[in-house]
Amino acid sequence: QKEVEQDPGPLSVPEGAIVSLNCTYSNSAFQYFMWYRQYSRKGPELLMYTYSSGNKEDGRFTAQVDKSSKYISLFIRDSQPSDSATYLCAMGAGTSTDTGRRALTFGSGTRLQVQP
Amino acid sequence: KAGVTQTPRYLIKTRGQQVTLSCSPISGHRSVSWYQQTPGQGLQFLFEYFSETQRNKGNFPGRFSGRQFSNSRSEMNVSTLELGDSALYLCASSLVRKNTEAFFGQGTRLTVV
Repeated sequence: QKEVEQDPGPLSVPEGAIVSLNCTYSNSAFQYFMWYRQYSRKGPELLMYTYSSGNKEDGRFTAQVDKSSKYISLFIRDSQPSDSATYLCAMGAGTSTDTGRRALTFGSGTRLQVQP
Repeated sequence: KAGVTQTPRYLIKTRGQQVTLSCSPISGHRSVSWYQQTPGQGLQFLFEYFSETQRNKGNFPGRFSGRQFSNSRSEMNVSTLELGDSALYLCASSLVRKNTEAFFGQGTRLTVV
């Protein structure tokens, strides 16, 4: 079983829809969580970073973390065709020192298509 | 503020050759991590460097190596290339504080023929 599970999609929605993307994880050591957007043939672009359980909002994006359920979500409001990309969740284990591990474990990515 | 810069963007190499990829982190970021991305395995952690020292290593063979210079720039090297090494190699930079965001470059797409 993978440490991080993410539905690969593709997920197709009409323009203006609310999109929900999700990841589950099994490693309790994961303490901080990120969502990346990756366009074809480009590097991942950081969208959201969260450290604690709860919601964090940034424009049309809301990241939600439930550590008790080991479940994270990314919501996109008023989705646009330009949001069509692969969305990757990533997680890191908490460290107690500055030189601790910063290796991220990624989900496999969900391909999103927003239809105009 | 300039982002993470990776060079070259594209490479084609022959089996058995070696290759060196370069990464310049965001100014002020002293931690550099390398990842391999393939359609089958997704993004997998290769190694992390801080203060010119490898701090962490993923589950890759010894053919994959790297180093970091005093200006935080990093290189990774793959020797005796195999067809399966064809991938997008991504570099990420972070501030040296625990649990901070990682910012990625555009990657180097390596094709081994």
